Amino acid sequence: QVQLQESGPGLVKPSQTLSLTCSVSGGSISSGSFYWSWIRQPAGKGLEWIGRMYSDGTTNYNPSLKSRVTISGDTSKNHFSLKVTSVTAADTAVYYCARGSSASGWFDSWGQGTLVTVSS
Amino acid sequence: SYELTQPPSMSVSPGQTASIACSGDKLGDKFACWYQQRPGQSPVLLIYQDTKRPSGIPERFSGSNSRNTATLTISGTQAMDEADYFCQAWDSSTVVFGGGTKLTVL
Repeated sequence: QVQLQESGPGLVKPSQTLSLTCSVSGGSISSGSFYWSWIRQPAGKGLEWIGRMYSDGTTNYNPSLKSRVTISGDTSKNHFSLKVTSVTAADTAVYYCARGSSASGWFDSWGQGTLVTVSS
Repeated sequence: SYELTQPPSMSVSPGQTASIACSGDKLGDKFACWYQQRPGQSPVLLIYQDTKRPSGIPERFSGSNSRNTATLTISGTQAMDEADYFCQAWDSSTVVFGGGTKLTVL
């Protein structure tokens, strides 16, 4: 069974870059059957899709975040990463990585989530 | 941009049926799925491709999708079903989530 684990700094200063990594075990990010996504959830609020990466490296991003977000993968380490530039307090959230089905887009496996706080 | 709308909250008595709606323009032409999220936990996939249940999901959870509304139905609701429920769909290569429904069992 695939497992995903987020890692990265829990505190980022305003205007800096947020960087997170999702380590994948029990499955390969090179599998064409799936894509790999980042999703975030501010405290007490709903889920917001950030973007995704396919096994061939193709990416799609939420239009509202596209100018500040980059998702990339490292097949040698079987992990994928998220960078969000110019962060503000509005980027404070629990960040999840998840595996999505290339067929119809559902997320069948999620990481435990990591809280990132943007504060000076 | 595409939007999915859910009622913010609803309540149900134990043993009764809860139906949570998710509305979006021509949602029936897309595949919808549903997640359950308990406090402090990651979302769990309940329903995918409108009506399918992943292995391990109880049969009391079912889904439908027609015209502009997808519906998650919980039959014989149990206290453990108290949680937040989110619908999700694709639109133009973009993933969209509904705002979530907090289900209270009382």
